[in-house]
Amino acid sequence: KAGVTQTPRYLIKTRGQQVTLSCSPISGHRSVSWYQQTPGQGLQFLFEYFSETQRNKGNFPGRFSGRQFSNSRSEMNVSTLELGDSALYLCASSLVQGGNYGYTFGSGTRLTVV
Amino acid sequence: QKEVEQDPGPLSVPEGAIVSLNCTYSNSAFQYFMWYRQYSRKGPELLMYTYSSGNKEDGRFTAQVDKSSKYISLFIRDSQPSDSATYLCAMRPQGAQKLVFGQGTRLTINP
Repeated sequence: KAGVTQTPRYLIKTRGQQVTLSCSPISGHRSVSWYQQTPGQGLQFLFEYFSETQRNKGNFPGRFSGRQFSNSRSEMNVSTLELGDSALYLCASSLVQGGNYGYTFGSGTRLTVV
Repeated sequence: QKEVEQDPGPLSVPEGAIVSLNCTYSNSAFQYFMWYRQYSRKGPELLMYTYSSGNKEDGRFTAQVDKSSKYISLFIRDSQPSDSATYLCAMRPQGAQKLVFGQGTRLTINP
């Protein structure tokens, strides 16, 4: 059974640019959540999508946005990149909304902003 | 003050030792408690999942939740070098979607 797939694995972008990250959840999973992981702040919740609708959002600026497609695949977009956006971005999928039985994480996209 | 506090370590123990990892939290509404293991360059992997108070055992791993003290623990028996990783506690209230994570504890098991 394939796990959660995130692409690309690594990205280097320049300040001011925008970036789109992709996540394919486990087959049959309808909930996709995004987290940002940094050494200083740890794992922080960005947002969760279920059935193509954003169900919950963390405390991040509007530059961070996402969407979910009918096949449950999700994309996350960050516009006007800042140096502080350098982080590991993790996608997690769950069978049901809220991950009542825990989330399965992908290996993440390592974003470096220079 | 963070909602979930976890000692970042690093923690280094000899192979075969019993390891104790802990988190404290301040939000009494937390009902679901999880432990994740994260290897370098990988995403977190769910190890243990507990609802409300009590103990749960799975092989060499035991998770304990003490809601009265707002304290959760993960015990690893007969630790192996392959257990070397960062361990993250995570929790959330009933009905909420987002997980709140601890900082993670970096653990090294020395052969």
